[in-house]
Amino acid sequence: SQTIHQWPATLVQPVGSPLSLECTVEGTSNPNLYWYRQAAGRGLQLLFYSVGIGQISSEVPQNLSASRPQDRQFILSSKKLLLSDSGFYLCAWSVRTREPQHFGDGTRLSIL
Amino acid sequence: GENVEQHPSTLSVQEGDSAVIKCTYSDSASNYFPWYKQELGKRPQLIIDIRSNVGEKKDQRIAVTLNKTAKHFSLHITETQPEDSAVYFCAAITNTGNQFYFGTGTSLTVIP
Repeated sequence: SQTIHQWPATLVQPVGSPLSLECTVEGTSNPNLYWYRQAAGRGLQLLFYSVGIGQISSEVPQNLSASRPQDRQFILSSKKLLLSDSGFYLCAWSVRTREPQHFGDGTRLSIL
Repeated sequence: GENVEQHPSTLSVQEGDSAVIKCTYSDSASNYFPWYKQELGKRPQLIIDIRSNVGEKKDQRIAVTLNKTAKHFSLHITETQPEDSAVYFCAAITNTGNQFYFGTGTSLTVIP
């Protein structure tokens, strides 16, 4: 069966520091991959999605970037974090575009 | 792009009563509609979904109905239990799009 791993679970970072969040999927090939951010008590904001290695689509202009160095690996990065980057970051995968998305356990990021 | 509106934002029901959450969408090309349940601090989990060629789908105490003409779909939970308390999100995706458009969420509280 397919599983999705996301780490770290929690992260506290100072303003201006870099960021790297990692997500990997097991048990499937060539999945669609997604990064979402959820502010406290709010809905899901799509940040990036990828339909294949090296193919990244950005939905929201910001100081974040994403990369997909391997088929089942999706990385969210920032060179300099802002206070507004705080939130709950969720990685998700799907078999293909119009199929259910399955979420990882998320990373709770706090910026100080 | 697609616009999904979700109502109500909060809902309280007595244990054993039914709960109904409604979503409307704007793009008549939308053809897949999943519902997610998110418990506090946890990841969203798919609970039921429906495609545009079906008007209703049931899974035990949960059902989803779709009215393509009116462009709205609803989640119905019968015989509610305290463990149904969570935030519920609807979503829609078009037959040519690459991303889900999520509603803003409904916080459901089931009072014992």
